[in-house]
Parts: sequence; C-alpha cells; structure tokens
Amino acid sequence: GAVVSQHPSRVICKSGTSVKIECRSLDFQATTMFWYRQFPKQSLMLMATSNEGSKATYEQGVEKDKFLINHASLTLSTLTVTSAHPEDSSFYICSAEDRDQPQHFGDGTRLSIL
Amino acid sequence: AQSVTQPDIHITVSEGASLELRCNYSYGATPYLFWYVQSPGQGLQLLLKYFSGDTLVQGIKGFEAEFKRSQSSFNLRKPSVHWSDAAEYFCAVGAGSSGDKLTFGTGTRLAVRP
Repeated sequence: GAVVSQHPSRVICKSGTSVKIECRSLDFQATTMFWYRQFPKQSLMLMATSNEGSKATYEQGVEKDKFLINHASLTLSTLTVTSAHPEDSSFYICSAEDRDQPQHFGDGTRLSIL
Repeated sequence: AQSVTQPDIHITVSEGASLELRCNYSYGATPYLFWYVQSPGQGLQLLLKYFSGDTLVQGIKGFEAEFKRSQSSFNLRKPSVHWSDAAEYFCAVGAGSSGDKLTFGTGTRLAVRP
C-alpha cells in the first residue's frame, strides 16, 4: 500500500518551455503533498507543502510564480515549472501522506533544460 | 530550527559485514525520526520510523535503528549487509507524524564490497 506515482520520470526540453509534473497517490487519499528538489549528490530540499483545496506554502527562497503548485484533489498534485531555464534542471521528487502514515515518495522526475 | 547531521558522506563495507550509519538531530521537542533509502535515479523508500515508545525500532530489509535521546542520535544498523543494500541513505526529522515537513540530512552513500 501507500504508492505514490510521479509522472513523467524524465523530461528534456528547450529553455523557455513550461513543464508540468504530476504526483498521484494511488491507493490512499493524501491530505498533504510535498515537493522537493534534489541537486546531484545532495540532499532533498523542500520547495513547498500543499494541502488539497488550498494554496501551497512555499519555503523561503522558492519563487511561487516560477514553481506553480496545484493540489486539486486528494490524490493529485501538480508542479509546473514555468518558463524553465537551464538552472532549473534538477531532480524533482514529490511525496504524499495521509493522517496515519508518514511521507511516501514518488520515483522522481529528472528535468533537463537545454 | 530542526536540523539533521549525517557525519559520514561515504561508507564502504564488505558484503556480510555489519553496518552502522550515524545520524544526529537537533530539535526542541520530541522528534519524529525517519530513515529513507534512495537508489540511483529513484525516489525515497521508507526504511523505518520512530514516533514514540520502544527506542529500538525495526524496519524493512533487516534494518533497525535506535533512538538515543541523551545523544540526540538515531543511528541505523544492519547486522549483515547485502550487495543490494548499496544506495544513498537519508536520515530525516519532523515535528509530527503527518502534516509537517521533514528536514533531511545530507545523506550517506553506501558502497558494498564483494
């Protein structure tokens, strides 16, 4: 149980493109979803926390207009990287939890901006 | 502010040998502690967690961890390492069992010598 699906697993696109990443909890309702960014050989840095039906809470230094988060239902959250540039290239990971379980992570999305 | 320190960046052990990965945390109240494992290009898998009760917790894949409040530590152990255990290991601390963000350590990369 507690499976989190993240799609796509890899994206390569041109600079200036907007990219949407989906995070789904497949077998439970996620009261909270989290978005992380991970640079090569580094730890996970929390970008934002989102609760269904409300605005996401962004960590300090994360541009909310750059990284749009939508949590429209209890099983789906999306992260849109708007007008992506090479410096946005990274590994993005989502996680989801319900009231009784700790965070379960998706398999991540490798974003490469050319 | 909560923080996690994993002093060892890389560890190499021989297959069949015992393993201990160190984790020290800083948190003002009773912490919720987690160990996650990450294989290359993958998301994170929860190995075990400590919320309360018995300070020695058992996890998946034969791992265990011991919470020592006096030392602010939550070290991960395994009596006999398998080649498939080679991965990146992250210790994390949170303020609650759900709905609260996790702070991750910088990770320890484990290599297993045949």
